[in-house]
Amino acid sequence: AQSVAQPEDQVNVAEGNPLTVKCTYSVSGNPYLFWYVQYPNRGLQFLLKYITGDNLVKGSYGFEAEFNKSQTSFHLKKPSALVSDSALYFCAVRDGRGSTLGRLYFGRGTQLTVWP
Amino acid sequence: DVKVTQSSRYLVKRTGEKVFLECVQDMDHENMFWYRQDPGLGLRLIYFSYDVKMKEKGDIPEGYSVSREKKERFSLILESASTNQTSMYLCASITRQGKSYEQYFGPGTRLTVT
Repeated sequence: AQSVAQPEDQVNVAEGNPLTVKCTYSVSGNPYLFWYVQYPNRGLQFLLKYITGDNLVKGSYGFEAEFNKSQTSFHLKKPSALVSDSALYFCAVRDGRGSTLGRLYFGRGTQLTVWP
Repeated sequence: DVKVTQSSRYLVKRTGEKVFLECVQDMDHENMFWYRQDPGLGLRLIYFSYDVKMKEKGDIPEGYSVSREKKERFSLILESASTNQTSMYLCASITRQGKSYEQYFGPGTRLTVT
């Protein structure tokens, strides 16, 4: 069965410092992995995805994520955090074995707070 | 740009009322989804649809039904609203064509049942 774990409910970081939001996954077959961000009272916005290829993927707003197959992880990173990055972040996984349904399995979310 | 719209941002209903949440996407996507979001629980899939008049149960379908009469519109129905259905409801869509793979989300409907 597909599942995603985000081990930290909250991450706090000072502006200008690097940030990491952790995600581990379990999936049958090759994973398709995603990060989404949600600002207060808004829908989810797509940040980046890993489908195949280079293990380091770059996305919107200066975010990047590293796919690590041996550790089944897909951590979200940013070299220098901004106060405006404060939001709720969701990791999601999709089974890549040819399913056309496009169903995603989401983690519980990590609240990122960047303080000035 | 893909646009997914939801009929209401905020909704207040009474226990026992029948509630309709509407979702419309403008990019001819085949697959559409309804989630509910609760603090600490993330997004949980209620129902999804992969074609007109087709529907599949997600993880928490009890107390809900759906309707997809047109490709662009996917409705979530609460037959008899209860207070435990107070939540944020999110609609999403995805195409089966090409290599995009990501779901596109609407802005959400925050439903309060009193």
